[in-house]
Amino acid sequence: GEDVEQSLFLSVREGDSSVINCTYTDSSSTYLYWYKQEPGAGLQLLTYIFSNMDMKQDQRLTVLLNKKDKHLSLRIADTQTGDSAIYFCAETPSGGYNKLIFGAGTRLAVHP
Amino acid sequence: GAVVSQHPSRVICKSGTSVKIECRSLDFQATTMFWYRQFPKKSLMLMATSNEGSKATYEQGVEKDKFLINHASLTLSTLTVTSAHPEDSSFYICSARSRDRAGNTIYFGEGSWLTVV
Repeated sequence: GEDVEQSLFLSVREGDSSVINCTYTDSSSTYLYWYKQEPGAGLQLLTYIFSNMDMKQDQRLTVLLNKKDKHLSLRIADTQTGDSAIYFCAETPSGGYNKLIFGAGTRLAVHP
Repeated sequence: GAVVSQHPSRVICKSGTSVKIECRSLDFQATTMFWYRQFPKKSLMLMATSNEGSKATYEQGVEKDKFLINHASLTLSTLTVTSAHPEDSSFYICSARSRDRAGNTIYFGEGSWLTVV
């Protein structure tokens, strides 16, 4: 089956690193995504990783993929108050490109 | 990055009426668009997949006669909520698939808040 799980809440101090974790069940997932949603807004694509990669870095964002354990993480370095939002991981199940399966979202709260 | 625009961003309609939400890909062609619904503090639920020039594919439990989807061109898909009821009030988000150099990327619109009174 297709299932994506995330922890629901994370609180960090401004300037620290945040690590948001995600697990998925479909071992044939092709792409895995991280989206950011601010209150009342749509989803903003942060980054994605192809399933044959272990790591992808983009400025303050680092994505790690452990395909054996079906574990995906998003690390935000030097977390700022503007990073406070809900972060969704999503996978494209086997076969593809035709839909995303989302986790429930992790609410990141950044405090001074 | 690629831009997907939704309109209207907020709409209020009376019970029993129909309301249309548009989803446009502004700077790329989208052969496939997706419609999601998000309940408060919940994740996104895929409603249907819309392919240009063909009938939409609905997820299990989604009423195709109630949520009419039309994908008339490579840059426009519409979702019409027919005979709306208060329980249809929700946040509706569309997304579109863009084939970039790296492979496959899906971009989301800003979402549309529907309130049925």
